[in-house]
Amino acid sequence: SQTIHQWPATLVQPVGSPLSLECTVEGTSNPNLYWYRQAAGRGLQLLFYSVGIGQISSEVPQNLSASRPQDRQFILSSKKLLLSDSGFYLCAWSLGFGSSPLHFGNGTRLTVT
Amino acid sequence: AQTVTQSQPEMSVQEAETVTLSCTYDTSESDYYLFWYKQPPSRQMILVIRQEAYKQQNATENRFSVNFQKAAKSFSLKISDSQLGDAAMYFCAFLYTMDSNYQLIWGAGTKLIIKP
Repeated sequence: SQTIHQWPATLVQPVGSPLSLECTVEGTSNPNLYWYRQAAGRGLQLLFYSVGIGQISSEVPQNLSASRPQDRQFILSSKKLLLSDSGFYLCAWSLGFGSSPLHFGNGTRLTVT
Repeated sequence: AQTVTQSQPEMSVQEAETVTLSCTYDTSESDYYLFWYKQPPSRQMILVIRQEAYKQQNATENRFSVNFQKAAKSFSLKISDSQLGDAAMYFCAFLYTMDSNYQLIWGAGTKLIIKP
């Protein structure tokens, strides 16, 4: 069966520090991978998605970047965090687009102080 | 542009009763997918049910069913025999894909409270 791992679960970082959130998927090949951000009491905002190694699509211009160095690894990064980067970050995977639903990780609560 | 609206920020229901969460969307496309996701206090997002727009039959998953009205662009979720474990935020989502164009639009969510 497929599983998705996302870490860390919580993170407190000072403004201006770098960020690296990692997500890995097991049990499937060539998944689509996604990074979402969820503000408190709000819906999800798609940040990045990837259909293959090295292929990254950005939905929203921001202080963040994403990379996919391996087929089942998706990394969310920032060189210098802003206060506005605080939020709940969710990684997800799906088998292609269309009817395949998203399968989410447990999320990372990021607090920038 | 596609939009998804969940007009009920919060709903409450007595345990064992039935509740309906509303979702409307706006699109000019004819082929798309609709989803309901559940996010309990643990924050993990879980798929509840999905519906293909080309299917007229309403999707059903155990106690969860949808009322899909394509012409009215409505996609409500009915939860029968509500249980305490159903307490969560519920998000409606619209998915449209064409070639390399991928759009997954989320509603703002409805908080469901189950009264024991």
